[in-house]
Amino acid sequence: EIVLTQSPATLSLSPGERATLSCRASQSVSSYLAWYQQKPGQAPRLLIYHASNRATGTPARFSGSGSGTDFTLTISSLEPEDFAVYYCQQRSNWVTFGGGTKVEIK
Amino acid sequence: QVQLQESGPGLVKPSETLSLTCSVSGGSLSGYYWTWIRQPPGKGLEWIGYMYSSVNLNYNPSLKSRVTISLDTSKNQFSLKLTSVTAADTAVYYCVRDLLHGDLYYAMDVWGQGTTVTVSS
Repeated sequence: EIVLTQSPATLSLSPGERATLSCRASQSVSSYLAWYQQKPGQAPRLLIYHASNRATGTPARFSGSGSGTDFTLTISSLEPEDFAVYYCQQRSNWVTFGGGTKVEIK
Repeated sequence: QVQLQESGPGLVKPSETLSLTCSVSGGSLSGYYWTWIRQPPGKGLEWIGYMYSSVNLNYNPSLKSRVTISLDTSKNQFSLKLTSVTAADTAVYYCVRDLLHGDLYYAMDVWGQGTTVTVSS
């Protein structure tokens, strides 16, 4: 099983600041990685697919990078609606999710 | 626009079988990996399994002995059965559309709203 480790567990930032979220895989997943945003009481929403491609409707302030074992989701300037939990997920070998990073208002 | 809707009992007794159905509207089952994901209260996301066709399906190894996913193309639905449930199976269950095409992973782009299943006597 491929383990995805997300860091930090919690990120405390103010609106307008830059957020950098990390996802590390226990073995290479190539670019078969996606990022999701989840708000309380809602289903997750796809943000980034194949490591660096924005899904339909994803604002340009979200960007994904990386390949192999190290991946990053960057939010260039936090908007109030961006405070949520973010998950990475791999599809290289079955499916696994990271434990999530909560982006909270400082 | 494709939409997914879960349905099934919200309360299941321990040792019994959890059965959920996902109705797909606005699109066909063909060409996608139809997936079940669950989320225990206050916790992260757990993949249960997916089915693409009768010969292309995979289950989470930790649940494999208890899980069955099936497709019903005539009704445009897919289903989940989880046997011998315990309190640890209490969660929000999501049905999801997943797409892996060639070398490009389009990921889980359509999610149902989720249905809460509680295992309790």
